[in-house]
Amino acid sequence: NAGVTQTPKFQVLKTGQSMTLQCAQDMNHEYMSWYRQDPGMGLRLIHYSVGAGITDQGEVPNGYNVSRSTTEDFPLRLLSAAPSQTSVYFCASRPTSGNTIYFGEGSWLTVV
Amino acid sequence: GEDVEQSLFLSVREGDSSVINCTYTDSSSTYLYWYKQEPGAGLQLLTYIFSNMDMKQDQRLTVLLNKKDKHLSLRIADTQTGDSAIYFCADSLGAGSYQLTFGKGTKLSVIP
Repeated sequence: NAGVTQTPKFQVLKTGQSMTLQCAQDMNHEYMSWYRQDPGMGLRLIHYSVGAGITDQGEVPNGYNVSRSTTEDFPLRLLSAAPSQTSVYFCASRPTSGNTIYFGEGSWLTVV
Repeated sequence: GEDVEQSLFLSVREGDSSVINCTYTDSSSTYLYWYKQEPGAGLQLLTYIFSNMDMKQDQRLTVLLNKKDKHLSLRIADTQTGDSAIYFCADSLGAGSYQLTFGKGTKLSVIP
C-alpha cells in the first residue's frame, strides 16, 4: 500500500543544474499536484494535473516544468536551479470523487 | 485570490485543551481541512469538514465551522507532548476544485 511516493528525499544542487523530482501514486487518482513549502509561507501550489496529458499552473510555477504522460506519474523538473528554489517539495494526489488528499513524504532540496 | 490566515504560534500545558484558529476569505469553500506536520515529516491529514456542517468530532479532535464569519477552529482535548507539531488549515475552493489553499501553519508547543 505505497500511496504517494516521492524521490529523492534529499538533494543538493548547484545553481544552474537541472533535476527532476519524481512522484508516483498507485491509487489510480486522476488529480495530482506539486506544492512547495517555505518557512513562514505555508504550502504553495506549483503545478497540477487533472488527468493524463493535462497540466496547469498553480500559484508559483516559474522555474518549474511538469508533464503527465501516465496516470501514475507526475514528475517536477527544475530546468536551471536557483537558490530561491531551496525548499521542501510535496506531491499530492486525490481521486476525482472523494475528499481526501494524499501527500507524499516530501523532498528536501537545497540549491547552493 | 483566496486567503487563509492562522496565528503562527500556540503554547499550552500538557493536559490542557488547545484551540487553533483559522479564517478564510472565499465563501464558496466546500471542504476545510486540518493537517499536522511533525518536524522533518510530511503532512498528515487529521480531519476535514464539509461546509454545510457546523461541527465534527473525532476522538480528541473537535472542528468548529462558523460559515458566516468564515472561521474554522481545531480543538485538541487533553493535549499531549506528542501533539507538538505545526498544524495547517486548508480549504478547497468551490465545487469541482481540487486545489488547496493553505494557511501558513500554527506551531503548537506543548509544555510538560
